[in-house]
Amino acid sequence: GIQVEQSPPDLILQEGANSTLRCNFSDSVNNLQWFHQNPWGQLINLFYIPSGTKQNGRLSATTVATERYSLLYISSSQTTDSGVYFCAVTGANNLFFGTGTRLTVIP
Amino acid sequence: DAGITQSPRHKVTETGTPVTLRCHQTENHRYMYWYRQDPGHGLRLIHYSYGVKDTDKGEVSDGYSVSRSKTEDFLLTLESATSSQTSVYFCATSDGYEQYFGPGTRLTVT
Repeated sequence: GIQVEQSPPDLILQEGANSTLRCNFSDSVNNLQWFHQNPWGQLINLFYIPSGTKQNGRLSATTVATERYSLLYISSSQTTDSGVYFCAVTGANNLFFGTGTRLTVIP
Repeated sequence: DAGITQSPRHKVTETGTPVTLRCHQTENHRYMYWYRQDPGHGLRLIHYSYGVKDTDKGEVSDGYSVSRSKTEDFLLTLESATSSQTSVYFCATSDGYEQYFGPGTRLTVT
């Protein structure tokens, strides 16, 4: 299957700080999604972004498919941003997940 | 949200017993998936379905079977549960592009 690597594995931020999360993948992909898993375990869709750039409020994402990476930007972080951020890519019909970046935002 | 529910939400069972988890969707999505989430592994695909009665294996399918008799329901069965199947199980659906996840089922096999 496709290998998906996320960095950094852990990140601690002061409230109000900005951050960049990275996702590298090993092969050409059809789709790429970013998810936030909140402290209650719920997986929340952030972006569906096989290529290009999208923005949603304080979050934005960029995927450069030809170079096999995607970036998730979080600006002016809030404590509610805490949780694990997953990148997932689709090869044929399977969605392959990275092991995530655990973000802790402290007040 | 894609209107996905899972039942039960929590279950404790004994080794060797059969267990069935249910996923129900109201979005009429063609594709449905079962994943398990374990520490250090992220989410891994168990089985998926690309239509009624059409299913295929994922990355970690050993010990699991699935069935899909209706568009809206996708069942995951552990024929004889083992302690290694203690995990959180997520169902997902897709319209062919974006995947949407259910709330998860925490299964403990003692």
